[in-house]
Formats: sequence, C-alpha cells, structure tokens
Amino acid sequence: NAGVTQTPKFQVLKTGQSMTLQCAQDMNHEYMSWYRQDPGMGLRLIHYSVGAGITDQGEVPNGYNVSRSTTEDFPLRLLSAAPSQTSVYFCASRPYTGELFFGEGSRLTVL
Amino acid sequence: AQTVTQSQPEMSVQEAETVTLSCTYDTSESNYYLFWYKQPPSRQMILVIRQEAYKQQNATENRFSVNFQKAAKSFSLKISDSQLGDTAMYFCAFMIPTDSWGKLQFGAGTQVVVTP
Repeated sequence: NAGVTQTPKFQVLKTGQSMTLQCAQDMNHEYMSWYRQDPGMGLRLIHYSVGAGITDQGEVPNGYNVSRSTTEDFPLRLLSAAPSQTSVYFCASRPYTGELFFGEGSRLTVL
Repeated sequence: AQTVTQSQPEMSVQEAETVTLSCTYDTSESNYYLFWYKQPPSRQMILVIRQEAYKQQNATENRFSVNFQKAAKSFSLKISDSQLGDTAMYFCAFMIPTDSWGKLQFGAGTQVVVTP
C-alpha cells in the first residue's frame, strides 16, 4: 500500500523557472492538499481539493497553481520560481473528518 | 480565523524521563479535532494522537497521552518513558470538520531532543 507518493524528493531551480511537484494517493481519499514547511512557521496550507475538478486556495496560494483531474492526482505547479519559494513541500490526503496522511516531502531550493 | 500556539520552540529530556509539550488554540467552535504529529529527522509526518472535542476522556496511545482542557483551550502532549527515537519536531494541529472540509491549522512546532 503506497499511501501518498510525492516526486521529486529534491529539486533545485533557478529564479524564473517553472516546475511541477507530483502527488498521487491510492487510498481513494476525496480531500487532498499541499502544505509548505518553513522554520518557525509550522506547516501552511497552499491549496486544497475536495474532489476531482474542485480546488480552493489555502493560506499562502500566491505563485502556485493546482488542478485535480482525477481522485488520485493533485499536482502543484510553480509558475515562475522565486527564492521565497525555497521550502519543504508536503502533499497530504485524508478521508472526510479523518487525520491527514502525508507524503515524504519535497525539498525545493530556488537560487 | 483559528490559531494554534506552541510556546516552547525546543525541549530537552533524558531517556526514561517524562516531557510535556504545550499547545493552545483559539476558536469559537464547539466541534473540532485536535492532533499531535511527530516529524523525525527523516522528515516524515507521523500522527501521534488524535482528540475529538466532544470526548471528555483524554486520548492515550502507548507512552503518549494528552491533557485536553476544553474550557482553557489547551491540548498538551505528555511523552512518558522517553526514548531516543522520540527525538523529533512535534506539531499540534487543529481542525474544524465542517470548515471547508476541515483544513488543518498547525502550530509552529516544538523540537524535542532526547539525550542518553
């Protein structure tokens, strides 16, 4: 049982480049979300989705784009990377009112 | 907006001793869930314990237990018989299940270091 799978685990970008962080879950969870983790700030919600075709913004959505074409996949796109987006990114999913299941995280560095 | 506060950035404890992590939250809701997550150096986020606000009994999972004080909006985590493997960052999190499908609000975290 794979759970939540994130790729890549590490990525280095130059300012202005774009990239996509992939997230897939095999638990048939309706809810999926992306968080970023920065020192001293805990985890902050970027975007979330409550089902295929439905997405909404979280606390820090600027500079990020998401889509949800299937229940399983929830990619996060950085449109034009900035050094402020250097962070560790977590994808998470859960059943309704259940606890979050997290991926292993993706460390992104923007130079 | 809901807020979660963890006032202890770092705590150190010796093996076999007990450590208590504090967490306070702010909400006007009566139905909510509280969680403690553990993040070891591997970076994986691991659920430690969960508490539903309507349950008066404090949740317990092996050496981990909580002291849930609803009126005081406090949700502390006690780690008993600390082990080296407990060294990790611990996050308190809060969720209102009816609020946009239950977005989790996390505290800033407490780094726990267990020493031999």
